[in-house]
Amino acid sequence: DAKTTQPNSMESNEEEPVHLPCNHSTISGTDYIHWYRQLPSQGPEYVIHGLTSNVNNRMASLAIAEDRKSSTLILHRATLRDAAVYYCILRDWDFGNEKLTFGTGTRLTIIP
Amino acid sequence: NAGVTQTPKFQVLKTGQSMTLQCAQDMNHEYMSWYRQDPGMGLRLIHYSVGAGITDQGEVPNGYNVSRSTTEDFPLRLLSAAPSQTSVYFCASSPGTSYTGELFFGEGSRLTVL
Repeated sequence: DAKTTQPNSMESNEEEPVHLPCNHSTISGTDYIHWYRQLPSQGPEYVIHGLTSNVNNRMASLAIAEDRKSSTLILHRATLRDAAVYYCILRDWDFGNEKLTFGTGTRLTIIP
Repeated sequence: NAGVTQTPKFQVLKTGQSMTLQCAQDMNHEYMSWYRQDPGMGLRLIHYSVGAGITDQGEVPNGYNVSRSTTEDFPLRLLSAAPSQTSVYFCASSPGTSYTGELFFGEGSRLTVL
């Protein structure tokens, strides 16, 4: 099964951009790359997802490497409310058996 | 908008007891799933369903049963609780059965088995 690898923790100053990396070297051709974040005592919240091309939405941008073996979640201007654990996951539909695999997650701390 | 609703939010069980964690969604989503999250770890998939009457196992299904009699509800049953099942449980849903859809999560149910 495809797995993801993320740094355990990162820090960033408030109002500066944040780049959160994710490695997924065993990604398959039909895996979509999803990012979720989890605030304390809450369920994960969808951030963004993509397949091959870079994606933008109101929350963030997703940059996907050309070989798809890595991706980067970009928060353009971090706020204190962005402090959370960020999960990079691959959503794989293998012969109808979903094998949703969550990575270890990156705990993002925002410094005021 | 209620979204995904989980009950109860907290539960304490004794070893060997049984219980059901409830999950309901009001978004007419075909796909629903259950995850567990142990301290300091990511989420692991227990069971999932791609529609009413259809369920399948995820990564860690042992000790848990599910059923999907309606589109809205996807209860998770613990038949004989064990301390190893102490965890936070999350239910999620997504529209359709495509793996491209985003997952909507409930707020979680914290279970302690003594």
